[in-house]
Amino acid sequence: AQSVTQPDIHITVSEGASLELRCNYSYGATPYLFWYVQSPGQGLQLLLKYFSGDTLVQGIKGFEAEFKRSQSSFNLRKPSVHWSDAAEYFCAARSSGGGADGLTFGKGTHLIIQP
Amino acid sequence: EAGVAQSPRYKIIEKRQSVAFWCNPISGHATLYWYQQILGQGPKLLIQFQNNGVVDDSQLPKDRFSAERLKGVDSTLKIQPAKLEDSAVYLCASSLEPSSGELFFGEGSRLTVL
Repeated sequence: AQSVTQPDIHITVSEGASLELRCNYSYGATPYLFWYVQSPGQGLQLLLKYFSGDTLVQGIKGFEAEFKRSQSSFNLRKPSVHWSDAAEYFCAARSSGGGADGLTFGKGTHLIIQP
Repeated sequence: EAGVAQSPRYKIIEKRQSVAFWCNPISGHATLYWYQQILGQGPKLLIQFQNNGVVDDSQLPKDRFSAERLKGVDSTLKIQPAKLEDSAVYLCASSLEPSSGELFFGEGSRLTVL
């Protein structure tokens, strides 16, 4: 079955430190991959996406993600976090083979920023 | 540009009662989705509409859940009768170009079933 796994339920990072959130996928063929952020009281917002091509993709708010086919991973990174980055982060995927477009989400990683 | 509107924001009901949630997508977005997000989990797709037609409802528990989008604009999700395990946030999302993967989400409707 197709699935997206985020191994870390919670991550605590000091403000100004670097961040990496892990995501692994299990699909028959390489899916399209996404990272969304859910801030308190707000709807989910797309940070970045990967369809094909350059395996390092840039997103909004200074985030980037790297696709590694050999590891079936799509990890999210940021070189220096800000207190406003505290939120829930979701990795998502959908089949690249056409058909319905609904996304499959991981369970999310809750990011806590320490002052 | 107005975002995706959902109502009510909060609803508390007892099991076996019914409830309905309303969603108004971003103007011009032909694709509309309903997701269920149980506490501690990621959103799970319930149903996807393209205009007023259903594209995917494979994960919708059709014995108790129903959804419609009669005029291809706003949509209603209904649960009847509700069960305890239906307690969740119901998210509506819309998309201008579904192939882009960019969905615009509303703030959600939080349902508590007692």
